[in-house]
Amino acid sequence: RKEVEQDPGPFNVPEGATVAFNCTYSNSASQSFFWYRQDCRKEPKLLMSVYSSGNEDGRFTAQLNRASQYISLLIRDSKLSDSATYLCAVKSGGFKTIFGAGTRLFVKA
Amino acid sequence: DTEVTQTPKHLVMGMTNKKSLKCEQHMGHRAMYWYKQKAKKPPELMFVYSYEKLSINESVPSRFSPECPNSSLLNLHLHALQPEDSALYLCASSQAGTDNQPQHFGDGTRLSIL
Repeated sequence: RKEVEQDPGPFNVPEGATVAFNCTYSNSASQSFFWYRQDCRKEPKLLMSVYSSGNEDGRFTAQLNRASQYISLLIRDSKLSDSATYLCAVKSGGFKTIFGAGTRLFVKA
Repeated sequence: DTEVTQTPKHLVMGMTNKKSLKCEQHMGHRAMYWYKQKAKKPPELMFVYSYEKLSINESVPSRFSPECPNSSLLNLHLHALQPEDSALYLCASSQAGTDNQPQHFGDGTRLSIL
């Protein structure tokens, strides 16, 4: 089993739709969680950290479920510009971060 | 605009060449990282430097040699690479000493080995 797993998609949604991604992790000692966005042939860019109580940044909401060992990302009112690959990242202490393989999102007009 | 700067953006080299990738950050971060990313795969950690000392080497072949001259700079020296080493090489930095700090990536060097 991979340490961090994501549904690769692709998710094809119309503009204005709400879409949710999940990411599961296997190490119960994991401490820090992040979502990154990566556009084609570009570097990953930090989208948001994921806090235990859940957190929101505009149209984006991140949640953590420690009992079931997954994090989620909800995107409301999808825009064409949201089309990208979304990577979850998990730190289990120290400097090592494990990235999921990413979920591809296509938002269509 | 990224606050982590990588040069060159693109590099094509033969298997017998020696080249270096460079990374610079001025965010005061004391942890710096090299990742390798193949197409449609996640970034894979290669090396971590913490306070200019090598902290993690993920069993990377010796044809890749990292160097951290100071707290702002990170180099990756390349020698006798193989075609399978063609990939996007990403540098990242983060604050050291706290687990909940995210990494910030440079825009990468796209490396092609002929």
